[in-house]
Amino acid sequence: QVQLQESGPGLVKPSETLSLTCSVSGGSVSSYYWSWLRQPPGQGLEWIGYVYYTGSTTYNPSLKSRVSISMDTSRNQFSLKLNSLTAADTAIYYCARDLGGGSRYWYFDLWGRGTLVTVSS
Amino acid sequence: QSVLTQPPSVSAAPGQKVTISCSGSSSNIGNNYVSWYQQFPGTAPKLLMYDNSKRPSGIPDRFSGSKSGTSATLGITGLQTGDEADYYCGTWDNGLSGGVFGGGTKVTVL
Repeated sequence: QVQLQESGPGLVKPSETLSLTCSVSGGSVSSYYWSWLRQPPGQGLEWIGYVYYTGSTTYNPSLKSRVSISMDTSRNQFSLKLNSLTAADTAIYYCARDLGGGSRYWYFDLWGRGTLVTVSS
Repeated sequence: QSVLTQPPSVSAAPGQKVTISCSGSSSNIGNNYVSWYQQFPGTAPKLLMYDNSKRPSGIPDRFSGSKSGTSATLGITGLQTGDEADYYCGTWDNGLSGGVFGGGTKVTVL
């Protein structure tokens, strides 16, 4: 079955850029939307943004100025970049398959296990 | 401060029923479909309900979903100790042009 796996550094310094990759196995990224979400320790979920397999993107307005999501169909993976990091960006970052892509029917049917990213000097 | 409002916690005895409310507005729940996610400590969220009331394969019919106006409800009947988890509602917000979630509800089985 389709599985998602996040990878990237667990510790990033303030003001630097976070780079994470989500590798999709057991299926193709084609024909789907793919999202990044995060969850600060002990807090709720926050949607970061999504990328369609064609490369088109939509971002959370509150993060739009700092975020970039890209698609690599040849490697069956997609990536997140978040710049100007502060301690408030410390969270578990999840990648997920996004069914709806911003439509009325928006939801996530598959999730990665998540990766904890700590922003600290 | 989450866009969607959920009670922080609900509880009931084994075998009983609990309901979790998710309140929004016309820009989100009022005009879009709601999904629900179950999250156990230390694990990723899992899709529990989509399109307001549809259950993915493998989700028991003890779980139900509904929507009325700008609010949605998740119901759990025949409560089991294995249902102790955090539950989140989510939907698209047309005004914000982004996805939004509730703050989460912790279900405790007494």
